[in-house]
Amino acid sequence: QSALTQPASVSGTPGQSITISCTGTSSDVGGYNLVSWYQQHPGKAPKLIIYEVNRRPSGISNRFSGSKSGNTASLTISGLQAEDEADYHCFSNSGGSAFRVFGGGTKLTVL
Amino acid sequence: QVQLQQWGAGLLKPSETLSLTCAVYGGSFSGYQWNWIRQPPGKGLEWIGEINYSGSTKYNPSLKSRVTISVDTSKNQFSLHLTSVTAADTAVYYCARLLGASVTNWGQGTLVTVSS
Repeated sequence: QSALTQPASVSGTPGQSITISCTGTSSDVGGYNLVSWYQQHPGKAPKLIIYEVNRRPSGISNRFSGSKSGNTASLTISGLQAEDEADYHCFSNSGGSAFRVFGGGTKLTVL
Repeated sequence: QVQLQQWGAGLLKPSETLSLTCAVYGGSFSGYQWNWIRQPPGKGLEWIGEINYSGSTKYNPSLKSRVTISVDTSKNQFSLHLTSVTAADTAVYYCARLLGASVTNWGQGTLVTVSS
């Protein structure tokens, strides 16, 4: 079982938009509309920000959006703010829902 | 508001068994999947496995031979046992609640260090 592939790091300036990709296979990302995304600040537990590819939990800013094309899911953060600086992780069902898999994580730096 | 509180030994020697327990407060125990997830220092998250109310389990294939997840519905608790630990098992371990396919709630995390 391989982790989903995310860029190790991305960066942007306040007000910009950035996109983080999460690439898998037809056995995970491509096979289900069940990709979720988590934001994690240092020393804290992750927090759900996107579920089922593009749905936002209550209380999550509409600056966060998700999408999927084929075997790649994407998280877009618009109007970048300093508080968005964090690690971001994608997550998906895999193997016919026999197990689940995370991406390797992406560190977002707000310059 | 559901809360997950976890506990267990934080320092182990190689070849010992890691044991963690997670208690669920303030919410239903049925209808969800109860998960264990870990994060080695400075690295990404790794899914370990899960159990549901009826005791049905799923495990990460790479850990399956060493992992057992069990549930005690009378106490609203679930547990993780990982045998034959090595330094590679050093990580922060989280218990978590899954709804559908998304982690909605996390425990506070427990740092488990494996060192001789």
